[in-house]
Amino acid sequence: GEDVEQSLFLSVREGDSSVINCTYTDSSSTYLYWYKQEPGAGLQLLTYIFSNMDMKQDQRLTVLLNKKDKHLSLRIADTQTGDSAIYFCAEINQAGTALIFGKGTTLSVSS
Amino acid sequence: DTGVSQDPRHKITKRGQNVTFRCDPISEHNRLYWYRQTLGQGPEFLTYFQNEAQLEKSRLLSDRFSAERPKGSFSTLEIQRTEQGDSAMYLCASSLGDPPYEQYFGPGTRLTVT
Repeated sequence: GEDVEQSLFLSVREGDSSVINCTYTDSSSTYLYWYKQEPGAGLQLLTYIFSNMDMKQDQRLTVLLNKKDKHLSLRIADTQTGDSAIYFCAEINQAGTALIFGKGTTLSVSS
Repeated sequence: DTGVSQDPRHKITKRGQNVTFRCDPISEHNRLYWYRQTLGQGPEFLTYFQNEAQLEKSRLLSDRFSAERPKGSFSTLEIQRTEQGDSAMYLCASSLGDPPYEQYFGPGTRLTVT
């Protein structure tokens, strides 16, 4: 079946890099996504990666995909206090309709 | 376009009452989705529409839940005879029907059933 796993917490200091990890089970997923959720708010799409890619960079964000190990990571360079939030990894189902989310990783950035 | 909007943002209701939520998607998006999120969990898919047709429903969508998108624009989600277990954040998202299927979420409606 489809399942997405993430570590629950990550704490970093301002200016450091953050790396949030995710594993997924559905090898047929064509796209994988990272979303950010701030307290009491909806989800903000940060970036996505096509399953045939190994890496995607978008400003401070770098996504790495290891399809063999079904492992996805999100690296945030120069982490700021405004990056404190919950980060969700998601895969899309085979039909290209429903997103399957992990439980989210809470990133805490201290100054 | 200001993005996906949802109304109301918060709803408190008593057990057994009916509630209805509204979602207005991004105007050029033909797909609309409903998700439910409980505390400490990621969103869970409930249902999706392609234009006005409801094409997929999760097993989470019990008979007490009904969703509509009558003109292929806004959508409503109704919960009948609410139960305490229905307390959650209800999220709406919209997308185009083409890859990479980027889904853009609204701010959500937080439902509390007392």
